[in-house]
Amino acid sequence: DAGVTQSPTHLIKTRGQHVTLRCSPISGHKSVSWYQQVLGQGPQFIFQYYEKEERGRGNFPDRFSARQFPNYSSELNVNALLLGDSALYLCASSKTGVRTYEQYFGPGTRLTVT
Amino acid sequence: GQQLNQSPQSMFIQEGEDVSMNCTSSSIFNTWLWYKQEPGEGPVLLIALYKAGELTSNGRLTAQFGITRKDSFLNISASIPSDVGIYFCAGQGGSEKLVFGKGTKLTVNP
Repeated sequence: DAGVTQSPTHLIKTRGQHVTLRCSPISGHKSVSWYQQVLGQGPQFIFQYYEKEERGRGNFPDRFSARQFPNYSSELNVNALLLGDSALYLCASSKTGVRTYEQYFGPGTRLTVT
Repeated sequence: GQQLNQSPQSMFIQEGEDVSMNCTSSSIFNTWLWYKQEPGEGPVLLIALYKAGELTSNGRLTAQFGITRKDSFLNISASIPSDVGIYFCAGQGGSEKLVFGKGTKLTVNP
């Protein structure tokens, strides 16, 4: 079975621009979470979506937004990019049911803001 | 907010040695997970722990959920070169998010 897929793999943007990152969860997984990982740090939680509804939001500014589609895929949008937004953006999916916290990560999208 | 203290930050060991790393929290967690991340890839789930005192193995890896619910340990026995990577602990408390430690970078010398 395919794992979590993310696109694009790499992206270079200029300050002030907008970016959209995409994620497809593992088949059968209905929950998608987004994390930001800067170099040398662990991933930081941005959002979680389950059944197209936001279930959790981390401490990120309103420039960050996300949504989940009927097929459970998800998009992360970042507006007015800053240099500090440069990071690896990770998507993770999880099943519903008891063990919903076993999150499985995709390879990430490396965003560079210049 | 919740923070995880993971130690050591890095380890340099010889092939065949055992490895221990741990994670502590200032607050209680309901779930502990351990991940491994290699360069250019996302974290890979190694072990998930759901009950205080739980001891779970996955091959040469063994992890424990501390009885205070504020700590967790990961041991790797008989290390091999492919164990190289960054190991992260992650905890889940009263909300949906996972809180990650800063990672332990493991280097294995053949």
